[in-house]
Amino acid sequence: QAVLTQPASLSASPGASASLTCTLRSGINVGTYRIYWYQQKPGSPPQYLLNYRSDSDKQQDSGVPSRFSGSKDASANAGILLISGLQSEDEADYYCMIWHSSAVVFGGGTKLTVL
Amino acid sequence: QVQLQESGPGLVKPSETLSLTCTVSGGSISTYYWTWIRQPPGEGLEWLGFVYYTGSTNYNPSLKSRVTISVDTSKNQFSLKLSSVTAADTAVYYCARKGDSGWVFDYWGQGSLVSVSS
Repeated sequence: QAVLTQPASLSASPGASASLTCTLRSGINVGTYRIYWYQQKPGSPPQYLLNYRSDSDKQQDSGVPSRFSGSKDASANAGILLISGLQSEDEADYYCMIWHSSAVVFGGGTKLTVL
Repeated sequence: QVQLQESGPGLVKPSETLSLTCTVSGGSISTYYWTWIRQPPGEGLEWLGFVYYTGSTNYNPSLKSRVTISVDTSKNQFSLKLSSVTAADTAVYYCARKGDSGWVFDYWGQGSLVSVSS
């Protein structure tokens, strides 16, 4: 079982909100991790968006709109990237990442389609 | 503005060693961690490892036996070697800088596609 699991795809309408989940493998407690989120558009390298550990411990990269925010769902053992007020430019692949067992681990990515 | 540029052969034969170099401009390679990340065509991201400017390294356990990352501070470069390659190693290879805070990769190269084929 992968350390981080993301749904392969998600579709949402312009103006709506999209909740992208990153589920940690059973036995790995999301509460103890800082979750990083990256956005990647076709033909470009990933771009850092934000990281989230708790409401009092989070960081957003400069220039990233406030429409992007992070959170956790402890009951689902998952990190969440919430994008509100979806715009066509938000269509991209999104990757979550953690530092786990002395290694960087990426989720498989979610392709977000805005239509 | 820090810029990273990957360079190296775009085609490597099976069982040979893949070698790439990342040249850092607009800033010093000192004081930071530098990393390699790859992405097979149509797939997700895989972290290969990182090197500190002092030369200390940390590798992905799944690739540790085949990966070597080194740094040359005099040239402001760091390098990747991946031995005994197979077709599964075909990917876009990115170099990136780990920023000051946590595991934020704040500067990336544009990526270098390396194909493994005879």
